[in-house]
Amino acid sequence: GAVVSQHPSWVICKSGTSVKIECRSLDFQATTMFWYRQFPKQSLMLMATSNEGSKATYEQGVEKDKFLINHASLTLSTLTVTSAHPEDSSFYICSARGTGEPYFGPGTRLTVT
Amino acid sequence: QQQVKQSPQSLIVQKGGIPIINCAYENTAFDYFPWYQQFPGKGPALLIAIRPDVSEKKEGRFTISFNKSAKQFSLHIMDSQPGDSATYFCAASKGGKLIFGQGTELSVKP
Repeated sequence: GAVVSQHPSWVICKSGTSVKIECRSLDFQATTMFWYRQFPKQSLMLMATSNEGSKATYEQGVEKDKFLINHASLTLSTLTVTSAHPEDSSFYICSARGTGEPYFGPGTRLTVT
Repeated sequence: QQQVKQSPQSLIVQKGGIPIINCAYENTAFDYFPWYQQFPGKGPALLIAIRPDVSEKKEGRFTISFNKSAKQFSLHIMDSQPGDSATYFCAASKGGKLIFGQGTELSVKP
């Protein structure tokens, strides 16, 4: 089956710093990538949708200047959490979609101290 | 219109039992209804999925029942095992964009 990787798998950063998370489709071309956030014991909430080469579309309530998404190639999308604060601590999960259904990455655990 | 409501929130069954998890949606534009299994600290893994032109789909021990007129679908796990203990999410999708239910924490007792 299709494989999606995320890097890093976990990261700890200090409040006020920025963190970049990578999402890669390893064996298919992802025309669309999705970024989700999941707080403990909660469901996955869609943050944004990105299509290769174009600007991301953010869901209502998600700050586009805080969560920068870049989808520069058909196999790579990045999410940068800028000026991170403790309330941004969460599990960030990407999914990638080519011609079929989306496949999920393993997630990145972000802890902001 | 974008909501997917899932119940129950948690479920405990004995080994060999048949847990049933239910979901309801509102938006009739959804055209893909997957179920995901998630273990702590891991990303969700696709279990089984159905499209609205089919009323039932079975893969191994997992069965989806789909009622288009009622806008409801459910997951049945046959002969459940302790290894099935996880959180299960239903979702509804249009164009790959998934809207998730609230999740069901399943515990299968030996």
